[in-house]
Amino acid sequence: DVKVTQSSRYLVKRTGEKVFLECVQDMDHENMFWYRQDPGLGLRLIYFSYDVKMKEKGDIPEGYSVSREKKERFSLILESASTNQTSMYLCASSSPAQVRRYEQYFGPGTRLTVT
Amino acid sequence: ILNVEQSPQSLHVQEGDSTNFTCSFPSSNFYALHWYRWETAKSPEALFVMTLNGDEKKKGRISATLNTKEGYSYLYIKGSQPEDSATYLCAFPSSNTGKLIFGQGTTLQVKP
Repeated sequence: DVKVTQSSRYLVKRTGEKVFLECVQDMDHENMFWYRQDPGLGLRLIYFSYDVKMKEKGDIPEGYSVSREKKERFSLILESASTNQTSMYLCASSSPAQVRRYEQYFGPGTRLTVT
Repeated sequence: ILNVEQSPQSLHVQEGDSTNFTCSFPSSNFYALHWYRWETAKSPEALFVMTLNGDEKKKGRISATLNTKEGYSYLYIKGSQPEDSATYLCAFPSSNTGKLIFGQGTTLQVKP
């Protein structure tokens, strides 16, 4: 079974803190993604990576950065957390080699609250 | 700008009712169309990945059809059950990079 894990289910941070959200997948997938989900706005892509050390901005990259030093791990960094970054964060992975091409496998999500 | 539209936004049905939702996507440069189910307190999981015009997929009481020429897909649930309550997302690969454009989803509530 494909497994995508995220470091925390719930996180509470203060405004201005640097926040790291970690995601690990065990299926040797090339692609990894970070999304945020807010009521009424659906899933919005923050950043994605299609290879180690490669990254591309998604639709809402402002205020975030990412790191992919190893194939299995993709980190989302909030350099200085703000209250408008309170959200559910979802990580996903996929591979072009899959039979069901580009099917994404999601982690359980991290509910981040910035106070 | 590629856009994926889903309707309706939400749906409330009684147990046993059959229901369907629509996903509209750009008909040019088609790679595939994905349907995901997202239950409360769980992660989204893929239901179907459809690639061919006229494709019809089935999983239990849930089925989906695909029309790539006109850019739409329908998801049908026959005899809805409370456990079908979830948000159903469709998604469209925007290019050959694996990046998916998600619709905003249809949230289904099935009352016992």
